[in-house]
Amino acid sequence: DTAVSQTPKYLVTQMGNDKSIKCEQNLGHDTMYWYKQDSKKFLKIMFSYNNKELIINETVPNRFSPKSPDKAHLNLHINSLELGDSAVYFCASSPRPGGTSGSYEQYFGPGTRLTVT
Amino acid sequence: AQKITQTQPGMFVQEKEAVTLDCTYDTSDPSYGLFWYKQPSSGEMIFLIYQGSYDQQNATEGRYSLNFQKARKSANLVISASQLGDSAMYFCAMSPPGANNLFFGTGTRLTVIP
Repeated sequence: DTAVSQTPKYLVTQMGNDKSIKCEQNLGHDTMYWYKQDSKKFLKIMFSYNNKELIINETVPNRFSPKSPDKAHLNLHINSLELGDSAVYFCASSPRPGGTSGSYEQYFGPGTRLTVT
Repeated sequence: AQKITQTQPGMFVQEKEAVTLDCTYDTSDPSYGLFWYKQPSSGEMIFLIYQGSYDQQNATEGRYSLNFQKARKSANLVISASQLGDSAMYFCAMSPPGANNLFFGTGTRLTVIP
């Protein structure tokens, strides 16, 4: 069974469209994340949710809106897509959000390659 | 702000040899976590090893070990007995205190030569 799954794996769309990427984890984790990997392979945190609540929102355009219907799901909706949004988007999860006693390994999904034309 | 530096864009190693991938970090926080991830050409991100800033011993996981030098703010990954399947991008990452979001370095592409 896949621990963290994302759909779709590939997404090709035109500028100006609205699209969503879905993420599900079956690990029972409390915390989920979205990362963006650009064409130079640089990975950057976008959002973090703990038990359906937003805890981290890095500097991301408000065209990006995460939604967590329950703690096993974290979807990413993108409005008015731009060429610069082309990237690979990774969902990840961890048991907890981390604290002063330590950090937790994150399990990544397979990624969604978004191409905006 | 956290900053992770991987100065080796690419590395080559002979099969069965050991290789060290460099990682330095910059933070003023005393508590943090350090991670290494592997990304093969298929694209998935695979967790390799974790080191907490207060851990006294260097972390090891099978053929992977983390050479943690806190005073130098370095967390180098050592892969022993390299295998062809080790060819991949390797990312060093750090999580700040009280949070688990990862800040990544730019990665090192490792190629294992038969």
